Amino acid sequence: KAGVTQTPRYLIKTRGQQVTLSCSPISGHRSVSWYQQTPGQGLQFLFEYFSETQRNKGNFPGRFSGRQFSNSRSEMNVSTLELGDSALYLCASSLGGSSRNQPQHFGDGTRLSIL
Amino acid sequence: DAKTTQPPSMDCAEGRAANLPCNHSTISGNEYVYWYRQIHSQGPQYIIHGLKNNETNEMASLIITEDRKSSTLILPHATLRDTAVYYCIFTPNFGNEKLTFGTGTRLTIIP
Repeated sequence: KAGVTQTPRYLIKTRGQQVTLSCSPISGHRSVSWYQQTPGQGLQFLFEYFSETQRNKGNFPGRFSGRQFSNSRSEMNVSTLELGDSALYLCASSLGGSSRNQPQHFGDGTRLSIL
Repeated sequence: DAKTTQPPSMDCAEGRAANLPCNHSTISGNEYVYWYRQIHSQGPQYIIHGLKNNETNEMASLIITEDRKSSTLILPHATLRDTAVYYCIFTPNFGNEKLTFGTGTRLTIIP
């Protein structure tokens, strides 16, 4: 079974630009979550999508947004990029049902560098 | 957010068992304990989880105390590839997939 796939793996942008990152979850998984990882703040939750609806959101500004498609694939967008947005962006998928007994599985992330 | 406490770093000799402790005194009765690890430049990897019984899979064993206030992850025969940061976390509530990661334990396997 294929794991969580994130594209691209690496990305370089300049301040003020916008970026779109893509995540393909494990087949059959309906929940997709996004996390930002930086050396200073560690792993922080951005948002989670389930059945094309945002179900939970972390404490990030509105420049960070996302969406989920009917096939459960998800994208996240960051507009007006700032230097502080340089980070590893991780996507995780899970079955997303009501049981707590289902682990999330992570992709290897997209490393975004802002110049 | 649910909080766990882990030692910042540990060393273990290759071939020996690595025992990683985690305190989670605020865990509620129906919350699971999950362990993940992150090897440099990769995403976190799921290892194991449990509610109140001890659990074992092909990667590790999880020992949860009877009062559920702490747990220990055991890697029975550590190899150099087990060098990573290990995170102990609670599961979120129903319908909430948010995972709250702490700083974890940096485990170094020594040849």
